[in-house]
Amino acid sequence: EIVMTQSPATLSVSPGERATLSCRASQSVSSNLAWYQQKPGQAPRLLVYGASTRATGIPARFSGSGSGTEFTLTISSLQSEDSAVYYCQQYHNWPPWTFGQGTKMEIK
Amino acid sequence: QLQLQESGPGLVKPSETLSLTCTVSGDSITSSSNFWGWIRQPPGKGLEWIGTFYYSGSTYYSPSLKSRVTISVDASKNQFSLKMSSVTAADTGVYYCVRHLSSIFAYWGQGTLITVSS
Repeated sequence: EIVMTQSPATLSVSPGERATLSCRASQSVSSNLAWYQQKPGQAPRLLVYGASTRATGIPARFSGSGSGTEFTLTISSLQSEDSAVYYCQQYHNWPPWTFGQGTKMEIK
Repeated sequence: QLQLQESGPGLVKPSETLSLTCTVSGDSITSSSNFWGWIRQPPGKGLEWIGTFYYSGSTYYSPSLKSRVTISVDASKNQFSLKMSSVTAADTGVYYCVRHLSSIFAYWGQGTLITVSS
């Protein structure tokens, strides 16, 4: 089973600033990596797949990068509505499909 | 437009069997190209994949839950179901039904809260 580790656990960033979230896989997942955003009381929403391809309707301020075992989700200019928990998920070796433990994004 | 809607009892007693149903509209669960599954989230915690099937092929289960979980399909109602036996408080959480898109969890139901308590 591939273990996904996210850092930091919590990130506090001011509006308009850049936020960088990290995700590490216990072994290579190539580019088979997705990011999800979950707001309180809502189901997760797909943001990025293929490590760097934005899903339909996702604003351009969200960008993903990386391959192999190291991945990054960058929010270029943070907005108040970006307050959420962000999860990475690998789909390289399945089953099982595995998620990171999440990074909570707080807006200062 | 694809929609997934979970339904379930809300409260289940310890040691009993949890039963949930996902009703799908806007797509067919019998399409061979579609994978469907279940994911759960304990209160205040992260996401855990439970199981996945595709209609004309295999069913996959989480190794940690495999002994207690069964996914079944009612094609006539365009529904699929989850049964989890011998539940404990650790099984409390929000349960989501999902549709994969090339192994990505592209579509999610709104989720249903299941509480295990006597």
